[in-house]
Amino acid sequence: KAGVTQTPRYLIKTRGQQVTLSCSPISGHRSVSWYQQTPGQGLQFLFEYFSETQRNKGNFPGRFSGRQFSNSRSEMNVSTLELGDSALYLCASSFKLAGNTGELFFGEGSRLTVL
Amino acid sequence: SQQGEEDPQALSIQEGENATMNCSYKTSINNLQWYRQNSGRGLVHLILIRSNEREKHSGRLRVTLDTSKKSSSLLITASRAADTASYFCATDASNDYKLSFGAGTTVTVRA
Repeated sequence: KAGVTQTPRYLIKTRGQQVTLSCSPISGHRSVSWYQQTPGQGLQFLFEYFSETQRNKGNFPGRFSGRQFSNSRSEMNVSTLELGDSALYLCASSFKLAGNTGELFFGEGSRLTVL
Repeated sequence: SQQGEEDPQALSIQEGENATMNCSYKTSINNLQWYRQNSGRGLVHLILIRSNEREKHSGRLRVTLDTSKKSSSLLITASRAADTASYFCATDASNDYKLSFGAGTTVTVRA
């Protein structure tokens, strides 16, 4: 079974640009979560989607958005990039349908550098 | 602020020794999970322990949970060079579809 696939793996943008990151979950997983990892703040929850619905959103500005498609693939978008958005963006999928959060399967991440 | 906090921040041990790291959290939880991350890569799930469990084993890993003290520990026995990584605890504190991660413990296993 293929794991969680994130593209692109590395990208460099300049301030003010926007970026779209993609995540393909493990086949059969309908829950997709996104996390931002930085040296200063650690792993911070961005959002979680299930069946195209956002069920929870972390404490990030409106520049951070996401969506999930009917095939469970997910994208996140960051507009008007700032230097502080430089981070490793991690996508994770889960089989859990509701209630408690179960085991998360993470992709390798997309490393974004903002210059 | 993060729900879980690991201690120590960094740990250096000799191959074959045991490594112990601790995690403290602030609110009631449904479950607590431990993940490993090799440098700059994705996280790998190690073990999940539910709030009504006190101890769990998986291979060379042993996890304990003390809900009265809001703390957990991860023990890696007979460490190997391949165990060199950062280890994170993550808590599921409510039915809100997210995990809250601690800052992690960086473990270095010397050959």
